[in-house]
Amino acid sequence: QKEVEQDPGPLSVPEGAIVSLNCTYSNSAFQYFMWYRQYSRKGPELLMYTYSSGNKEDGRFTAQVDKSSKYISLFIRDSQPSDSATYLCATNSGYSTLTFGKGTMLLVSP
Amino acid sequence: ETGVTQSPTHLIKTRGQQVTLRCSSQSGHNTVSWYQQALGQGPQFIFQYYREEENGRGNFPPRFSGLQFPNYSSELNVNALELDDSALYLCASSFGTRDTLAGYTFGSGTRLTVV
Repeated sequence: QKEVEQDPGPLSVPEGAIVSLNCTYSNSAFQYFMWYRQYSRKGPELLMYTYSSGNKEDGRFTAQVDKSSKYISLFIRDSQPSDSATYLCATNSGYSTLTFGKGTMLLVSP
Repeated sequence: ETGVTQSPTHLIKTRGQQVTLRCSSQSGHNTVSWYQQALGQGPQFIFQYYREEENGRGNFPPRFSGLQFPNYSSELNVNALELDDSALYLCASSFGTRDTLAGYTFGSGTRLTVV
């Protein structure tokens, strides 16, 4: 079993839709949770991070962590074609080495 | 200069050859981590350097080696290249080795193709 599981998609939605991206993890030592966005031929770019269960909001993006079920989510409201990218969830245990999911490819059509 | 820069952007090598990839850290960062991202996969941790010493290593064979220089730039060396080494190699810089979170900056990567 991989430490972080993520459905690779692709996930196709129309512009304006609410997008839900999800990951599960297996290691209880993971304390920090991040979402990265990766455009084609680019490195990952940090979108959001959190270290506690609950919700964290930043503009159109909401990150949600449920440590009891080891479940991580990213919600994107009013999705735009420019949101089309691969979204990677990542975790770590307090040190700066990250464990990533496979990434979910999101396609937002105009 | 801000941001993490990697060179070259693309590289084609023959199986059995050796390759060196380079990374220039973001200004003020003293830690560099290297990741391998195969097509359709998430990045996998190769190793990390902190103050010129290896500070952790993922599940990669010894033919993957690295260096960090006093100016905190870094190299990734891969010997005896195999076809499965074809991937995007990402460098990430940060300050310190704990709780980096938002301070973890990735470069755009080097796309290595082994034929």
